[in-house]
Amino acid sequence: DAGVTQSPTHLIKTRGQQVTLRCSPKSGHDTVSWYQQALGQGPQFIFQYYEEEERQRGNFPDRFSGHQFPNYSSELNVNALLLGDSALYLCASSFDHEQYFGPGTRLTVT
Amino acid sequence: GEDVEQSLFLSVREGDSSVINCTYTDSSSTYLYWYKQEPGAGLQLLTYIFSNMDMKQDQRLTVLLNKKDKHLSLRIADTQTGDSAIYFCAEILGSSNTGKLIFGQGTTLQVKP
Repeated sequence: DAGVTQSPTHLIKTRGQQVTLRCSPKSGHDTVSWYQQALGQGPQFIFQYYEEEERQRGNFPDRFSGHQFPNYSSELNVNALLLGDSALYLCASSFDHEQYFGPGTRLTVT
Repeated sequence: GEDVEQSLFLSVREGDSSVINCTYTDSSSTYLYWYKQEPGAGLQLLTYIFSNMDMKQDQRLTVLLNKKDKHLSLRIADTQTGDSAIYFCAEILGSSNTGKLIFGQGTTLQVKP
């Protein structure tokens, strides 16, 4: 059984550009949450998707948006990239209270 | 408030026990978690404890919960070099099935041979 997968592994973008990150949940999981982990910090909650709707959101600006597809996979979009958006972006999937994380996408904004 | 605090660094000798401590703020959290992160990797769920429990043991791992003091600890018995990693404590805010995880800043565990 494949765990949570994310793509791409690494990404380099320029300030002002837009980026899309992808996540496939663990089999049987219907909820996807996204987290941002800055270097040396713990992950920060961005938002959570369930039944193709954003169920709750953390303290992130509207430049951060997402989507969940009927097969439960999810995308995270970030517009107008800033240098401060450089981080490891983690996707977690769950069916109940246990959240399982993917390997992350390392985004570097130059 | 949403705040989970951990000490930043712990160094132990191989074979010793390691104890990583954490304090959290939300007394309504239903579950508390320990995650492990190795360099360049995602987070691995190690164990969790339900809020009505005081202790949970899982092989070499023992979790202790003091709800009165909002204190959580993870003890790793017979620590091995492969246990070297960053350990994150997390609480879940909101309903257990729909909640968001609030993480501490992580404790780096260094295991010396």
